[in-house]
Amino acid sequence: KAGVTQTPRYLIKTRGQQVTLSCSPISGHRSVSWYQQTPGQGLQFLFEYFSETQRNKGNFPGRFSGRQFSNSRSEMNVSTLELGDSALYLCASSRNWDTSSGNTIYFGEGSWLTVV
Amino acid sequence: AQKITQTQPGMFVQEKEAVTLDCTYDTSDQSYGLFWYKQPSSGEMIFLIYQGSYDEQNATEGRYSLNFQKARKSANLVISASQLGDSAMYFCAMTLLMNRDDKIIFGKGTRLHILP
Repeated sequence: KAGVTQTPRYLIKTRGQQVTLSCSPISGHRSVSWYQQTPGQGLQFLFEYFSETQRNKGNFPGRFSGRQFSNSRSEMNVSTLELGDSALYLCASSRNWDTSSGNTIYFGEGSWLTVV
Repeated sequence: AQKITQTQPGMFVQEKEAVTLDCTYDTSDQSYGLFWYKQPSSGEMIFLIYQGSYDEQNATEGRYSLNFQKARKSANLVISASQLGDSAMYFCAMTLLMNRDDKIIFGKGTRLHILP
């Protein structure tokens, strides 16, 4: 079956611009979460959506936002981009929001964002 | 606070040898899940293996096994008969059933190099 699909894979933006990243979860998965990965900070949780509702949010400024659609696809948006936003943004999906056995979390290939 | 510690920043291993990647975790929760992911240079986070805190037997998935020692809060990944394609970054991660703030907590990773 198809895995988690993220688009675009690579993009370059300038400071002050905004960016939207897209994530299509595995079919049947209703939970989507987003992570930022940088060499300095490692992997950090951004937010999680389940059934179009944001369930959790990490410690990121309000410039980072997201949403989930009725088909479970999710988008994240970063406004007023800063150089420090350059990172790999990973999306993950799971069947449900809980972490019981069997509810494995699968990741996409990520979107590489460079802010210049 | 919840934490994952991976003490080996990098490892060099000869092809066909077995590899053990260390992971210790810290949580006061009784219900949690432990994951290992492989991240090649392409960026995709590939799920390898999962161990639930109530699972009595160590998880195995092909060449991967998880050496789960609950009392020591240890969840080491063992790769048998290593292959060149195993060269990648490996992350140990934890999810908590009750504390939903962070979805997944990651360690800083171990970069594994398999030598021909």
